[in-house]
Amino acid sequence: KNQVEQSPQSLIILEGKNCTLQCNYTVSPFSNLRWYKQDTGRGPVSLTIMTFSENTKSNGRYTATLDADTKQSSLHITASQLSDSASYICVVSERYGGSQGNLIFGKGTKLSVKP
Amino acid sequence: NAGVTQTPKFRVLKTGQSMTLLCAQDMNHEYMYWYRQDPGMGLRLIHYSVGEGTTAKGEVPDGYNVSRLKKQNFLLGLESAAPSQTSVYFCASNKGFGAFFGQGTRLTVV
Repeated sequence: KNQVEQSPQSLIILEGKNCTLQCNYTVSPFSNLRWYKQDTGRGPVSLTIMTFSENTKSNGRYTATLDADTKQSSLHITASQLSDSASYICVVSERYGGSQGNLIFGKGTKLSVKP
Repeated sequence: NAGVTQTPKFRVLKTGQSMTLLCAQDMNHEYMYWYRQDPGMGLRLIHYSVGEGTTAKGEVPDGYNVSRLKKQNFLLGLESAAPSQTSVYFCASNKGFGAFFGQGTRLTVV
């Protein structure tokens, strides 16, 4: 069964610190992996997208890595800010339709940045 | 280019009433989805569509119906609303490179 597992479930860090969120998946055939940020009450917004051949991609203070061999991805946040407090969702796309319309969601990591 | 637009943004229904949520996308995406998100929970797939005229059930389809008469629009219907359908509903569209989401519809059924 295609699955996406994220860890940790929640995380509290102090402002200015770095953190790393993990995503492991068993989706096959793999098309791409996206990290989304979801602020409370808002729709998810894409941070990065990575295909099979890409192993790192940055978007400002966010850096995502992908190891397609081990089927693992991470999202590293540098010099955290209070506005980084949100849920971070890992979403893997199947190459073809699949039973979930080709998107497999992780349950997210809830990050809280404290002053 | 508006992306994915949901209407309405907020709605309060009485138990047993019906309503339709509209999702419109202007990116010519084939795939469209409806999700619900309950407090503290992840997104759960209600129904999805892989193209105009096609729909399929997701994880939690009971109590909902959908239609995709035009490629750009995906409608979610509640025929007889129940308090258990109180939630935030998100629409998304996808062309194989990950989904773009609408801003959500907050629905309360009293």
